[in-house]
Amino acid sequence: GENVEQHPSTLSVQEGDSAVIKCTYSDSASNYFPWYKQELGKGPQLIIDIRSNVGEKKDQRIAVTLNKTAKHFSLHITETQPEDSAVYFCAARDTDKLIFGTGTRLQVFP
Amino acid sequence: DVKVTQSSRYLVKRTGEKVFLECVQDMDHENMFWYRQDPGLGLRLIYFSYDVKMKEKGDIPEGYSVSREKKERFSLILESASTNQTSMYLCASSSIDGSRTEAFFGQGTRLTVV
Repeated sequence: GENVEQHPSTLSVQEGDSAVIKCTYSDSASNYFPWYKQELGKGPQLIIDIRSNVGEKKDQRIAVTLNKTAKHFSLHITETQPEDSAVYFCAARDTDKLIFGTGTRLQVFP
Repeated sequence: DVKVTQSSRYLVKRTGEKVFLECVQDMDHENMFWYRQDPGLGLRLIYFSYDVKMKEKGDIPEGYSVSREKKERFSLILESASTNQTSMYLCASSSIDGSRTEAFFGQGTRLTVV
């Protein structure tokens, strides 16, 4: 089955800097890669996703890139703000279920 | 506003008790999932269901069972709770429609087994 690895486990940045989180997956048949943000005391919420027929997708300050050949995808957050502080999870779809990475705790310092 | 609702935010149970975690979704989704969240381990899939009365094992089903008698409700059962089942439990649902693949999560149930 699918296996997803995520790095780094923690990331600290200064407000205004960029943050990058990287994930790799094992199953070349996976075709959907969402990113979730989990704020303290809440369930994860989808922030952006990408399908395997697309190489990059942007939504304001966040972007996701996908390299199918290398089987890795990344989340990029530009101009980080304190409210970006949260735990971020990548995932890959294995048939109808999502397999998640281990999470990255992002801290943005003012 | 779409919703996945878990019946409890916090639960404290004793070792050996039978524990029920309930989840209800109002989006008419076919798929429902139970994940367990532990620090450093991410979200691990316990069980999922494609339809009423259907269930499939995830990556860590041992010590758990599930029930889906109605489309909107998916229950996770700990037959005999143990301290290593102390964790955050997250329920999620999604549609089988390939154009709408987002999974929606509940707020989580933090279970402590003492």
